[in-house]
Amino acid sequence: DSGVTQTPKHLITATGQRVTLRCSPRSGDLSVYWYQQSLDQGLQFLIQYYNGEERAKGNILERFSAQQFPDLHSELNLSSLELGDSALYFCASSVGAAPYEQYFGPGTRLTVT
Amino acid sequence: AQSVAQPEDQVNVAEGNPLTVKCTYSVSGNPYLFWYVQYPNRGLQFLLKYITGDNLVKGSYGFEAEFNKSQTSFHLKKPSALVSDSALYFCAVHTGGTSYGKLTFGQGTILTVHP
Repeated sequence: DSGVTQTPKHLITATGQRVTLRCSPRSGDLSVYWYQQSLDQGLQFLIQYYNGEERAKGNILERFSAQQFPDLHSELNLSSLELGDSALYFCASSVGAAPYEQYFGPGTRLTVT
Repeated sequence: AQSVAQPEDQVNVAEGNPLTVKCTYSVSGNPYLFWYVQYPNRGLQFLLKYITGDNLVKGSYGFEAEFNKSQTSFHLKKPSALVSDSALYFCAVHTGGTSYGKLTFGQGTILTVHP
């Protein structure tokens, strides 16, 4: 158990809908990262927050947004969902921003039908 | 752009034999390199990292990795494989600065250890 929690574990929704994925980092970790894992794209970095501020952005679509709250938990919002958004979404946390190892949550499996 | 490559999609080894999972990197500046393992339906687990110093890095579950600057490689090794080591292994490089960053992952290598 990494200490990073993610909810929900599974999510099934229809195209065009909006969902919110939630992540709680390990106790004491200030940095939160979001990754998307799919068969065709592999593991792709989406976005990083450090102590409430956005610090790095990767291949995140404009339909996706995230935030980190004062209690350090983070949410990833996915809107206007498409079939291609079906993937495993991981949250990870680390003590600082770099180059500390990141600890991954169990992931949220999103299925868009 | 910073990147890592895992040249083998799959590695098969017999239990008790040594194993190697290969990784090469392409970075500008000093590389920060990581190995992670993913078991089915689980998140990624950190195994080890190279930041600086000794080229041989020891990690969790008896794994180690050798950093080779001249060959730009960071291969994962274990002297004696276990069936329970069967999983998906990812090499990653940290890119960014000291206050921000991300991991860029290789495509992964499926390790199968046969009894």
